[in-house]
Amino acid sequence: NAGVTQTPKFRILKIGQSMTLQCTQDMNHNYMYWYRQDPGMGLKLIYYSVGAGITDKGEVPNGYNVSRSTTEDFPLRLELAAPSQTSVYFCASSPQWGRTEAFFGQGTRLTVV
Amino acid sequence: AQTVTQSQPEMSVQEAETVTLSCTYDTSESDYYLFWYKQPPSRQMILVIRQEAYKQQNATENRFSVNFQKAAKSFSLKISDSQLGDAAMYFCAYRREPNTDKLIFGTGTRLQVFP
Repeated sequence: NAGVTQTPKFRILKIGQSMTLQCTQDMNHNYMYWYRQDPGMGLKLIYYSVGAGITDKGEVPNGYNVSRSTTEDFPLRLELAAPSQTSVYFCASSPQWGRTEAFFGQGTRLTVV
Repeated sequence: AQTVTQSQPEMSVQEAETVTLSCTYDTSESDYYLFWYKQPPSRQMILVIRQEAYKQQNATENRFSVNFQKAAKSFSLKISDSQLGDAAMYFCAYRREPNTDKLIFGTGTRLQVFP
């Protein structure tokens, strides 16, 4: 049972480059989330989705875009990477009903230089 | 807006002893869930325990238990018989009911366990 899978695990980007962080889950969860975790800090919500075709901004959406064309996939796009986007990124998912905790991927450590 | 506050950036405990991590939150909702997540150096986020706000009984999972004070909006985590493997960052998180909202995290408490 794979759960939530994020790729890549590590990435170094140059300022101004773009990239997509991939996230897929095999639990048929409606809800998916992208968080970032800066050093010594908690997780801050970037974007979330309550189902295919529906996305919404979290606390810190600037500089990012998302799409949700299928229930399984929720990619996060960084356009014009900046040093302030150096962080660890977590994707998570949760079911709409029943168990309420979120299941997290392993995280992606991104460095922008 | 809901907020979660963890006022202890770091805590330490000796092996086999008990330690309590604090968490307070602010919400105007009456139905919600509270969680403690553990993040070891591997970065993985692991659910430790959860509490439904409508339940008066404090949740317990083996050596982990909570002290949930709804009126005071307090949700502390007690770790009994601490083990070296308990060393990690611990995050308190809030989510309102129904499941239409996102998890809101505190800033975390780093727990060190000494032999």
